[in-house]
Amino acid sequence: DARVTQTPRHKVTEMGQEVTMRCQPILGHNTVFWYRQTMMQGLELLAYFRNRAPLDDSGMPKDRFSAEMPDATLATLKIQPSEPRDSAVYFCASGLGGGGAEAFFGQGTRLTVV
Amino acid sequence: AQSVAQPEDQVNVAEGNPLTVKCTYSVSGNPYLFWYVQYPNRGLQFLLKYITGDNLVKGSYGFEAEFNKSQTSFHLKKPSALVSDSALYFCAVSASLRSGYSTLTFGKGTMLLVSP
Repeated sequence: DARVTQTPRHKVTEMGQEVTMRCQPILGHNTVFWYRQTMMQGLELLAYFRNRAPLDDSGMPKDRFSAEMPDATLATLKIQPSEPRDSAVYFCASGLGGGGAEAFFGQGTRLTVV
Repeated sequence: AQSVAQPEDQVNVAEGNPLTVKCTYSVSGNPYLFWYVQYPNRGLQFLLKYITGDNLVKGSYGFEAEFNKSQTSFHLKKPSALVSDSALYFCAVSASLRSGYSTLTFGKGTMLLVSP
């Protein structure tokens, strides 16, 4: 059963530490999204890749966040240094691209920065 | 810029009654509309989508949605609610643009509570 896999599922870290979240998209999907979910802001798009190239990362705080796709099977989201306001659930999703294609979501990484 | 509005934070309905979760959207270009459901501590799960054609779209678990272009709405419906339908529901939109396709923009979500 094809699915998007995210690791870790939970992460607790101290302020100032580096955090790396990983995502394995569904094999064959050419589009990867990173979303952040909070109670206050809902779902916010952080980054969007197509064929491993970043197309839109305007929603991402550039000074501390970075997103990459080293290869077609791995997407990473890094926060350095982390801050308490980064506490949220981070979702990765993948799809086949095109406006009419649905995105398939992973289970999310729940990040707590203390 | 595209946007989605879900005017109700919460919808309460009794089991067996019909349910409606409202969604309106704003985009430039032809819209592609989606509904997702999120259960506690889980990722979003795709329910249904409208691309083109018939305005009434049928999806998973007995859900359907009606696209109304003049009202820019895409309300989610189900004829008979189940307690197990209780979850957080998200409407989302993307669009076909001259430059390609826009990304997926989500509404803030509507919590559906179905009472026994």
